[in-house]
Amino acid sequence: AQSVSQHNHHVILSEAASLELGCNYSYGGTVNLFWYVQYPGQHLQLLLKYFSGDPLVKGIKGFEAEFIKSKFSFNLRKPSVQWSDTAEYFCAVNLLNTGFQKLVFGTGTRLLVSP
Amino acid sequence: NAGVTQTPKFQVLKTGQSMTLQCAQDMNHNSMYWYRQDPGMGLRLIYYSASEGTTDKGEVPNGYNVSRLNKREFSLRLESAAPSQTSVYFCASSFTDRAINEKLFFGSGTQLSVL
Repeated sequence: AQSVSQHNHHVILSEAASLELGCNYSYGGTVNLFWYVQYPGQHLQLLLKYFSGDPLVKGIKGFEAEFIKSKFSFNLRKPSVQWSDTAEYFCAVNLLNTGFQKLVFGTGTRLLVSP
Repeated sequence: NAGVTQTPKFQVLKTGQSMTLQCAQDMNHNSMYWYRQDPGMGLRLIYYSASEGTTDKGEVPNGYNVSRLNKREFSLRLESAAPSQTSVYFCASSFTDRAINEKLFFGSGTQLSVL
């Protein structure tokens, strides 16, 4: 079955540290890729997405992600995190060409940024 | 414009009790989804509804039933709750299934505990 893996379940960083969250998927076909974020007490929000073209995509709040097709990866990065980035981050994949389209989510990574 | 509204926000059940989680969206979306979020498991799709009058199973449908009452509402029913159904439940919607490539709109979640 297709799956999305996020290997870091919990990440603790100090403010101004750099962030990289891993995401790998197992599907050989065409995919659209997403990162969603869930701030404490809030619902999930779209952070950024990749469909095609430049494999480096930029999202809101200084986040970016790089799609590496050969590695089936879509890692999320931010050069300098802030306390307000404390949240849970979910990678998601839309498996195209499989009928009704729906998102398959990864297991999530809880990020705690200490001031 | 409230977006996706879920009720209740919190619920405690005893094993064997039944209950219905309500979800409504006011964005004229055709497609609606129910996910459950568990630690270390991420979000998993329970059921989805491509359009009014249709429902289909997702990854983890066992123990649940759904009703797409009309275009606005998509309810999730637990007929006989089990402790394994303790989770946070999220309803989501999109204009069409393909519109998830733009954005999937989430409700604020229902935290359910089954004792």
